[in-house]
Amino acid sequence: KAGVTQTPRYLIKTRGQQVTLSCSPISGHRSVSWYQQTPGQGLQFLFEYFSETQRNKGNFPGRFSGRQFSNSRSEMNVSTLELGDSALYLCASSAGSQLTGELFFGEGSRLTVL
Amino acid sequence: GNSVTQMEGPVTLSEEAFLTINCTYTATGYPSLFWYVQYPGEGLQLLLKATKADDKGSNKGFEATYRKETTSFHLEKGSVQVSDSAVYFCALRTTSYNQGGKLIFGQGTELSVKP
Repeated sequence: KAGVTQTPRYLIKTRGQQVTLSCSPISGHRSVSWYQQTPGQGLQFLFEYFSETQRNKGNFPGRFSGRQFSNSRSEMNVSTLELGDSALYLCASSAGSQLTGELFFGEGSRLTVL
Repeated sequence: GNSVTQMEGPVTLSEEAFLTINCTYTATGYPSLFWYVQYPGEGLQLLLKATKADDKGSNKGFEATYRKETTSFHLEKGSVQVSDSAVYFCALRTTSYNQGGKLIFGQGTELSVKP
């Protein structure tokens, strides 16, 4: 069974640009969550999508947005990039169980903002 | 609010040494607790979990017991190997409705095991 696939794995952008990251969940998984990992702030929850609906959202500015398609694939977008947006962005998928479902993480997309 | 506190690293041990990484949490209700491991250049992998008080999660020689009275979930391994070198994250997930995908992580503890 294929795991969670994130693309691109690495990318470099400049301040003010925008970026779109993609996540393909494990087949059959309907929930996709996004996390930002930085050395200073650690792992922080961005948002979660389930059946194309945003189910939960973290404390990030509106520049961070996401969506989920009918095939459960998800994208996140960051507009007007800032230096502080440099991070590893991790996507996780789950079968959707509220209480005990395991989250499976992808290898991440490493974004560098210059 | 909900939070997780881990012992700071890096932790350096010799092969076959005993490992303990402390983790305490603050949460309302009865959260599920997890340990994740991140190897260099990779994403997170679930190491073990416990969903209720006094549950013991175990995997690959690692163990952790959900202690509600001390709000702790310490990770232990009796004999570490060089291949255990990684960053370990303690995390909780609340049982609130619509919180299924939201994990709250500790800061991570880097473990380095020397031969």
